[in-house]
Amino acid sequence: DAGVIQSPRHEVTEMGQEVTLRCKPISGHDYLFWYRQTMMRGLELLIYFNNNVPIDDSGMPEDRFSAKMPNASFSTLKIQPSEPRDSAVYFCASRSGQVYEQFFGPGTRLTVL
Amino acid sequence: AQTVTQSQPEMSVQEAETVTLSCTYDTSENNYYLFWYKQPPSRQMILVIRQEAYKQQNATENRFSVNFQKAAKSFSLKISDSQLGDTAMYFCAFMRNSGNTPLVFGKGTRLSVIA
Repeated sequence: DAGVIQSPRHEVTEMGQEVTLRCKPISGHDYLFWYRQTMMRGLELLIYFNNNVPIDDSGMPEDRFSAKMPNASFSTLKIQPSEPRDSAVYFCASRSGQVYEQFFGPGTRLTVL
Repeated sequence: AQTVTQSQPEMSVQEAETVTLSCTYDTSENNYYLFWYKQPPSRQMILVIRQEAYKQQNATENRFSVNFQKAAKSFSLKISDSQLGDTAMYFCAFMRNSGNTPLVFGKGTRLSVIA
């Protein structure tokens, strides 16, 4: 298995632009998590899905952020409009409900100018 | 809500020496998992070791071992025979054992192994 796949690995955009981050979880995993990592706040959970259904989105900072999981093999995190304070590394992770371990993707480093 | 505290933002150790990273957590749960993740400069999050709260025996994975003190809510990581490749950020994390909840992370400890 290729592991959790995220794209793009790096994204540089200008304030006000729409940004879409993509994630492909490990096949067979029924949980998918989006985290954000910054120096100030560390690793924060944004949202997670179980069987493609959002379970907890209380970590989504504001209405500019949205996430979808249209099927078991794909999820997106969208920021519209983007702001400089959104600059961070965004991680996607997946897990099977039968085991404890979360597998992380390589992350997307987002820079908003 | 659960919280995880890592009180050492940065640490350094000489190659081949032993270092211990501290972690404390706060929870009212009785059943849970604790983890240490390593994040090298490549940014990839790598699971180092896990501990089930119901197990009294401390987990060990090669050069990595933990000291789990449930009553004190303490979960430290010991790295023996430190290697240059151990240089990384280390995150302590907590997960409830019910409802398949997400990980709660500490702020991390940056470990530098010096030749």
